[in-house]
Amino acid sequence: KAGVTQTPRYLIKTRGQQVTLSCSPISGHRSVSWYQQTPGQGLQFLFEYFSETQRNKGNFPGRFSGRQFSNSRSEMNVSTLELGDSALYLCASSLRDSNYEQYFGPGTRLTVT
Amino acid sequence: AQSVAQPEDQVNVAEGNPLTVKCTYSVSGNPYLFWYVQYPNRGLQFLLKYITGDNLVKGSYGFEAEFNKSQTSFHLKKPSALVSDSALYFCAVRGLGSGNTGKLIFGQGTTLQVKP
Repeated sequence: KAGVTQTPRYLIKTRGQQVTLSCSPISGHRSVSWYQQTPGQGLQFLFEYFSETQRNKGNFPGRFSGRQFSNSRSEMNVSTLELGDSALYLCASSLRDSNYEQYFGPGTRLTVT
Repeated sequence: AQSVAQPEDQVNVAEGNPLTVKCTYSVSGNPYLFWYVQYPNRGLQFLLKYITGDNLVKGSYGFEAEFNKSQTSFHLKKPSALVSDSALYFCAVRGLGSGNTGKLIFGQGTTLQVKP
C-alpha cells in the first residue's frame, strides 16, 4: 500500500498570508491526525478527523483549522500566518483509532518570513 | 495531565553494543504506548506499540521495548546497535477517553548516535 502523502513538501509564505496543506491517508484509513513539530515545542497535536468530523482538537488558536473529505483526505489551513508558525507539519493516519498505531507522512515544511 | 518524559537528549553507543533509550509516562488508566523513529527531513516511522499483554514487545528492525507498569516506563532496546540506527527516537502515549481520540502525546525525543 502507498503510504501517507503530504503536499506540498516545502512552502514559504509571508506573515499575514494563509496556507493550506493537504494530506492523503493510507487507503482504508479513516482517522487523520495533524501535528506541528518545532525545535522548541517538539511534537504537538493539532486535531483529529474521522469520517469528516473533527473529534479532537489540541491547544492551538482558531487560526488553525482543518477538514476531512469523504475519501478521508484531509486539509489543514492556517490563516494570518505568524513567524512562530514556521514548523514541520505532520499528518498521520490510522485504521480507526483506539489502539491502532498512526502512520506518518513526510511532512510539509512551512517557513514564514 | 498526561505526559511522556525522555530523560536523555542523546544516547551514544558503539556499533554492536546493546542500546537502551529511556521513556517514562504519566497517564490515567492503562496506557497505549508507542515508539517512533525519525530520520532527517523525514516523517516519523512506527517501530512498536504496547496495548496489552506481554510486557516485552517486539517491533521493527530488531527493536523491542519493555513495559513496566510499576515504574511507569517503556524503554526501547536493541541487543546489537547498527550505525544506521542513528536517528531521533520518540516515545508516545495515548490515554483513554474521548478527550484523547486520535491524540498522541510525545516525549521530547532522544538522539541516538551509533559510532562505528
